[in-house]
Amino acid sequence: SQTIHQWPATLVQPVGSPLSLECTVEGTSNPNLYWYRQAAGRGLQLLFYSVGIGQISSEVPQNLSASRPQDRQFILSSKKLLLSDSGFYLCAWARTGELFFGEGSRLTVL
Amino acid sequence: SQQGEEDPQALSIQEGENATMNCSYKTSINNLQWYRQNSGRGLVHLILIRSNEREKHSGRLRVTLDTSKKSSSLLITASRAADTASYFCAVHSGAGSYQLTFGKGTKLSVIP
Repeated sequence: SQTIHQWPATLVQPVGSPLSLECTVEGTSNPNLYWYRQAAGRGLQLLFYSVGIGQISSEVPQNLSASRPQDRQFILSSKKLLLSDSGFYLCAWARTGELFFGEGSRLTVL
Repeated sequence: SQQGEEDPQALSIQEGENATMNCSYKTSINNLQWYRQNSGRGLVHLILIRSNEREKHSGRLRVTLDTSKKSSSLLITASRAADTASYFCAVHSGAGSYQLTFGKGTKLSVIP
């Protein structure tokens, strides 16, 4: 069966510090992968999606970036965090039109 | 934006009652999906309804789709305290690589 893992689950970072959130999928090959952000009390905002290794599409211009160094690994990064980067970050993969989400990474920028 | 909009934003009912949530969208879609999110957790897929379908059932869930009104509803029958969660609709418009756009969700509270 397929599983998706995200880490870290919780992160508290100072403004201006770097960020790296990781997501890995097991049990499937060449998945479409997605990063969403959910701000408090708001819906999900699509940040990046990837259809293959090294292929990244950005939906929202910001100080975040994404990379896909391996088929089943998706990384969300920032060189310098802003207060507005705080939120709940969700990684997902797609199969037959449905999205399967990880448990999320909660980022607080102070 | 193709984002779905859920209504109401929050809903509180007694255990055993039915809960109905609505979703509206703006343009044509390939399919519409409903997801559930327990507090602080990831989203879980509940049901997908295609644009040529009008109604779909899964256990205690019933989803309807009215493409002429660009709206969908999710009915949870005989609600349980464990149904307490946020429910999101997501629409797929079929442009390019597969993407879904989500609404802000309906927060459902089921009181035991």
